[in-house]
Amino acid sequence: GAGVSQSPSNKVTEKGKDVELRCDPISGHTALYWYRQSLGQGLEFLIYFQGNSAPDKSGLPSDRFSAERTGGSVSTLTIQRTQQEDSAVYLCASSFLRGNEQFFGPGTRLTVL
Amino acid sequence: QKEVEQNSGPLSVPEGAIASLNCTYSDRGSQSFFWYRQYSGKSPELIMSIYSNGDKEDGRFTAQLNKASQYVSLLIRDSQPSDSATYLCAVYTSGTYKYIFGTGTRLKVLA
Repeated sequence: GAGVSQSPSNKVTEKGKDVELRCDPISGHTALYWYRQSLGQGLEFLIYFQGNSAPDKSGLPSDRFSAERTGGSVSTLTIQRTQQEDSAVYLCASSFLRGNEQFFGPGTRLTVL
Repeated sequence: QKEVEQNSGPLSVPEGAIASLNCTYSDRGSQSFFWYRQYSGKSPELIMSIYSNGDKEDGRFTAQLNKASQYVSLLIRDSQPSDSATYLCAVYTSGTYKYIFGTGTRLKVLA
């Protein structure tokens, strides 16, 4: 079956611009997670959705970051006024229920010039 | 103290040998444990999950969990050069809703 998909695969933007990253989880998966991975670094938790609600936004680095999920499916992560330190690979993962096996999308590589 | 600890490596093993990857975690309430493989420039790929003490085998992979010692390991039998990657240990704790990832162990299988 189809896995987790993310778009775009690559995004190059100028400092100060807003970007939107999209995640389409595996059909039927209720839990959706966003992570960030900087070059050579580990996975940094950003936000978790159960259905359309986000019980835990504690990982969002600043108020420039926001995310939403609609219809219990697609999620978008928005970064406003991008900074160079936002450059990283943004990964989305989904699981049938939280605590179950989590499957990752291919990621979006964001480069802020 | 890091919540999930792994030796960064690299761990080098000859082709055909057994590779042993280890992970310790700090939260005794952790319930679910996962191993991922990540090739350079790619996203993590799930290898195995384990939820109860003991061993779980899947092909050339065996996961071992010891909750009393807060220790989880992954054995790769008959290692192949294609197994060369970074292996991430992840731990889920229901109270936090989070999967906590280790920083990974880099494995090199030498042909």
